[in-house]
Amino acid sequence: GQQVMQIPQYQHVQEGEDFTTYCNSSTTLSNIQWYKQRPGGHPVFLIQLVKSGEVKKQKRLTFQFGEAKKNSSLHITATQTTDVGTYFCAGNYNNNDMRFGAGTRLTVKP
Amino acid sequence: GAGVSQSPRYKVAKRGQDVALRCDPISGHVSLFWYQQALGQGPEFLTYFQNEAQLDKSGLPSDRFFAERPEGSVSTLKIQRTQQEDSAVYLCASSLPGTSASEQYFGPGTRLTVT
Repeated sequence: GQQVMQIPQYQHVQEGEDFTTYCNSSTTLSNIQWYKQRPGGHPVFLIQLVKSGEVKKQKRLTFQFGEAKKNSSLHITATQTTDVGTYFCAGNYNNNDMRFGAGTRLTVKP
Repeated sequence: GAGVSQSPRYKVAKRGQDVALRCDPISGHVSLFWYQQALGQGPEFLTYFQNEAQLDKSGLPSDRFFAERPEGSVSTLKIQRTQQEDSAVYLCASSLPGTSASEQYFGPGTRLTVT
């Protein structure tokens, strides 16, 4: 079935280091969304990517969508303690079926 | 400007009891989604409504799970004869357009514990 794989499961970094999480789908996605969930909170929308090869930036965050629309990445430059949380990708297929990855839990040591 | 609200926030049920979880989406949002999130996992899709029509219920794990949205606004997720494996956070999300291909606004979730 349709599935979105996300790695790594955990990432611990020193404040100021960079961080990247990757998502991969076995089949082509219509679009992909990224969400952030703080400990004890609920997922909050960050961005949506639709076009093949699309790259979007939000301050220190860079989002990429692969040429084949099967993979995506989120890169954070110079992490801060406020970046702590779990980052989820959510792949959308054409049938309104949105599949979340298992998430990457980021911890940042000050 | 209220967001998505869910009630109750916490529910403890004895195995075999029925539970009903409520979701109040953002006013005017057409689409409503239910997800189940186990500890340390990503949200798992349960079901999707467009207005009052349940367009996709493929994620409901068993026939003990039932969802409705009779007037196209508030939705209720009902779980009959709860089992321990039903323990999870149940998240509701809504979005304005009639597809899932847009930003979803999540509620705070209902944490269900089945003892």
